[in-house]
Amino acid sequence: QSVLTQPPSVSAAPGQKVTISCSGSSSNIGNNYVSWYQQLPGTAPKLLIYDNNKRPSGIPDRFSGSKSGTSATLGITGLQTGDEADYYCGTWDSSLSAGLFGGGTKLTVL
Amino acid sequence: EVQLVESGGGLVQPGGSLRLSCAASGFTFSSYEMNWVRQAPGKGLEWVSYISSSGSTIYYADSVKGRFTISRDNAKNSLYLQMNSLRAEDTAVYYCARGTVVTRGVDYWGQGTLVTVSS
Repeated sequence: QSVLTQPPSVSAAPGQKVTISCSGSSSNIGNNYVSWYQQLPGTAPKLLIYDNNKRPSGIPDRFSGSKSGTSATLGITGLQTGDEADYYCGTWDSSLSAGLFGGGTKLTVL
Repeated sequence: EVQLVESGGGLVQPGGSLRLSCAASGFTFSSYEMNWVRQAPGKGLEWVSYISSSGSTIYYADSVKGRFTISRDNAKNSLYLQMNSLRAEDTAVYYCARGTVVTRGVDYWGQGTLVTVSS
C-alpha cells in the first residue's frame, strides 16, 4: 500500500478534461513539493509537472498541477488517445526521509 | 542530449548480490542529485535511493536499507547501486534517474535494467 493514494483508474472521452488526485499527509504532500510523471506503455517515466504546478519545457499547457493542503491534483485538458498512460505523483516524506510515489493511475481515453 | 544508460541487471539467486551501473552523459553529472527507482513487473514506481551531487548525503527506502548501497564516481560520470542479500521481492526494472522529488522533480530517466531474483 502506497503512502500516497491515487485512484487506480480514470477515463474520459477525447477532447474532454480529466483530473487525477494524490492524497497524502502533513509529512509529505502537506510540507513538500509534488511532481507528476507520465509512463507510456513499455517506456520510462517522464516528468510532467514539478514543484506542484510548474511544467518542464516541452510539456504542453494541457497538463496542469495544483496542491491544496495534503492533496495534489493533475489536470489534463483536450484529452488525446496518446495521453493513455499511467500517471504517478511523487514527493518527499520529511518524517521517513524518503522519496515517495503514489500507486499510479491508469488513464483510459475512450 | 541527456542520456542515462543502466547496466548490470540479470538473474540472481535469493541471497545473492548484484551491482548496477548508470553511465551519464550530456550534462555536468557532478552538479546533479541522482536516484534509483524501481518498478516490479506490472506494479507502480518505488523510490529506492537518493545521493546528493557530492555524494555526501544519501537516503534509502526502508525496504532496502542495510542491503543496498548507492554511490557515485563524478570523475567517471557514473552512478552505482550495490545490492546484497537479494530477495524475490527485489525483482524489478531499476531506473537511474536525475534530480530529486524534493524540488524540480526527477527530470530524466534511463531505460531501466531488469533484475530478477529467483532460484
